[in-house]
Parts: sequence; C-alpha cells; structure tokens
Amino acid sequence: AQTVTQSQPEMSVQEAETVTLSCTYDTSESDYYLFWYKQPPSRQMILVIRQEAYKQQNATENRFSVNFQKAAKSFSLKISDSQLGDAAMYFCAYRNSLGAQKLVFGQGTRLTINP
Amino acid sequence: DSGVTQTPKHLITATGQRVTLRCSPRSGDLSVYWYQQSLDQGLQFLIQYYNGEERAKGNILERFSAQQFPDLHSELNLSSLELGDSALYFCASSVWGNRGETQYFGPGTRLLVL
Repeated sequence: AQTVTQSQPEMSVQEAETVTLSCTYDTSESDYYLFWYKQPPSRQMILVIRQEAYKQQNATENRFSVNFQKAAKSFSLKISDSQLGDAAMYFCAYRNSLGAQKLVFGQGTRLTINP
Repeated sequence: DSGVTQTPKHLITATGQRVTLRCSPRSGDLSVYWYQQSLDQGLQFLIQYYNGEERAKGNILERFSAQQFPDLHSELNLSSLELGDSALYFCASSVWGNRGETQYFGPGTRLLVL
C-alpha cells in the first residue's frame, strides 16, 4: 500500500520570505500523481498544485512550485513571497494512475506566516 | 468555491443514532469520493462511486454505507454512531482532463457525536 509522510508537523516563515514543505512517499508504481492541498481555517480543501510522475519538469503555479525527485520519492512544496493568506494546513497527497483513484494523504504541515 | 456542495454543514447527534450526509458533485462530474478527517486518523478515503456504481472501497466501517443516485448526488449513511465517529466528512468530485483526474472537495460536514 502507498504511504505519504510529512515529517514537519509545523513550519513558520516571515511574510515575503520563502518556505519549503517536505513530503516523501512510498510506492511500487511507476506512474502516479502527486498533489498539494491547502486547508485554511475554514477547513475547505483547496488544490494548490499537482505533478504527473511521468513528467520530469517540476510543476509551477504562480508563487507555488514543487521539487519532484522521483528516484528519491520526494515531493516538496516551495512557497515564494509568503503572504498572510498562505497560513493553513498543507497536505501532500498521492494517487495511482491506474486502479483505485483514491487520494492517500500525509499527516499535514501547519504553516504559520509571521508578519 | 469548488462547485461541490455538502449538506448539512454541521451535525450534532447522540451515540447510537443514524445520520445521512449529502453531497452534490460539480456539474458533469461522474465520480464522487467520500473522505473522513479525524484528529487521530487524519484524512482517510472511505468510498468512491462512479456514475451510480461503487468503484472502490477504503477503510469504511460496516456501520457506514453510501450510494449515488441517478442525478449523481451521493449520500453517506452513518449508523449506530459512536463517539469516535466525530469527524469532518468530505465529499469530492472529479473531472478528467488532458492532465488526468483532479478531485475537487466540498466544504465538508462536521459531525459531532455526543
């Protein structure tokens, strides 16, 4: 079974600075998808960014980018120019390409933005 | 706003009772997923329906059941409730595009069992 691990329960960063959230996963599959979801205090789950495992190029969405290291099974999220609205729980998630398309989530990292 | 709706937003009930959580997927989405978020178990997949049929099952208790109706809305039924069933229950619907499938989450139903 696939597992996702986020080793940083909490992180903090100064406003306008850059922060990187870590995620590792375990799978025997070669084709899969990886996601970062954000959960603000409202508890809504919001998709931040996604990465297809077959793509070598790291995904980027505005201030959010990933560092995808397939061999190391690592998928970190970099947030540039941090803003107060970025404060939230961030969840890393894995999904198989074939078969069951359920998301497998990590435990989450709580990100605090210091003004 | 993801376009996925869930009702009710909050639910308070007693142990032993039965409740029904409702989810309406985004227009055109055929797949519905149910997830449970609790303090001790984190976010866990419960069950998936696709166009009315059960597609995959996760760690769903036998006391829980779900279905998807012809209009594609889904209901999650929780019975013989226990204190440990208190959690946030999410529904997600998915769309397939040229980059594969993306799941969009509803706002969740917060269940408190007293």
